[in-house]
Amino acid sequence: DSGVTQTPKHLITATGQRVTLRCSPRSGDLSVYWYQQSLDQGLQFLIQYYNGEERAKGNILERFSAQQFPDLHSELNLSSLELGDSALYFCASSSQSGLSNTEAFFGQGTRLTVV
Amino acid sequence: GDSVTQMEGPVTLSEEAFLTINCTYTATGYPSLFWYVQYPGEGLQLLLKATKADDKGSNKGFEATYRKETTSFHLEKGSVQVSDSAVYFCALRGPGGSYIPTFGRGTSLIVHP
Repeated sequence: DSGVTQTPKHLITATGQRVTLRCSPRSGDLSVYWYQQSLDQGLQFLIQYYNGEERAKGNILERFSAQQFPDLHSELNLSSLELGDSALYFCASSSQSGLSNTEAFFGQGTRLTVV
Repeated sequence: GDSVTQMEGPVTLSEEAFLTINCTYTATGYPSLFWYVQYPGEGLQLLLKATKADDKGSNKGFEATYRKETTSFHLEKGSVQVSDSAVYFCALRGPGGSYIPTFGRGTSLIVHP
């Protein structure tokens, strides 16, 4: 058990809809990362939050947004969903943002299927 | 920016065979290097790491050595088991990528009895 909790585990929704994925980081970790894993693109970094503030953006679509709350949990909001958004979405957390030698801990992911 | 390249899979081996999964990286500064493993239906778990040149990371019989001169971090295991079947990801974290963990595309390993 990594200590990172993601809910829900599975989500099936229709095109055009909006969903929210939730992540609780490991106790004490301030940094949260969101990744999208698809068969053809591998593991793509979407966005990072650190202690409530956006720290870095990767390949995140404008239809997607995220936030981190005062209790450090994070939510990823996906809107106007398309079939191509079907993927595994992972949340990871780490204790520090500006260090290279600490690993990121991953949740079990949310499998999103858009039909 | 920083990037990781790892060999494409799937890699298919018989039990007790020797495993090598190649990983090379491009990075500025001095990154740390990681191998993660993903079992079916699960998230990524850290397998091993190395934080400076010539360091060797090891865990559960797997090893990888941080080679700065060849910018490589190849994963090896002397005798694989069926239970090692999984997807393996090479990753780095360093100043050139704003310390965002950057991953290779993953290599699927299938071990037959």
